[in-house]
Amino acid sequence: SQQGEEDPQALSIQEGENATMNCSYKTSINNLQWYRQNSGRGLVHLILIRSNEREKHSGRLRVTLDTSKKSSSLLITASRAADTASYFCNTGGFKTIFGAGTRLFVKA
Amino acid sequence: DTEVTQTPKHLVMGMTNKKSLKCEQHMGHRAMYWYKQKAKKPPELMFVYSYEKLSINESVPSRFSPECPNSSLLNLHLHALQPEDSALYLCASSQLRGSEKLFFGSGTQLSVL
Repeated sequence: SQQGEEDPQALSIQEGENATMNCSYKTSINNLQWYRQNSGRGLVHLILIRSNEREKHSGRLRVTLDTSKKSSSLLITASRAADTASYFCNTGGFKTIFGAGTRLFVKA
Repeated sequence: DTEVTQTPKHLVMGMTNKKSLKCEQHMGHRAMYWYKQKAKKPPELMFVYSYEKLSINESVPSRFSPECPNSSLLNLHLHALQPEDSALYLCASSQLRGSEKLFFGSGTQLSVL
């Protein structure tokens, strides 16, 4: 399966702290993507990192990729209450299957 | 226009009803997807259309019937559903099948009584 598996399943932090989520996968990939989902809404694409990249930044987001360990991490710096959401990784491919996700709760 | 529009936003139906979910995009995307999502679970892939042809059916029961009448429109016809089919149904599109970025609609929250 190309499915990504996120870790931890749930994370609760204070506003202003950093949040780190991890994703592990099983097969070789061309790219890895992270999505955010606010409760009861559709998913929003956050960032994509290609297999030949090790790190990528977008605003307060930092994504790393270690293809030797088949893992990726998403760091959200200086978190805000509005970052409260579920975060999913996805290793693309034809079936675009999502892992279990990390539920992030940021307390104001 | 970078939106995927799903209607209705909420739907309540009985087990003997027939209803349809609609999804529309005007980004010129040639791949469209249906996902089912139960509370606190990840979206589960149901169907993938590529160039208006059914490309993937993830062993979905026949009471769910997808249709892609043209490149902008995707329907999901529902008939004789069960209460366990209650879920959030998400539509997504991408430039091509296997493309790098999916665009999602806001979903239809379905309750089957």
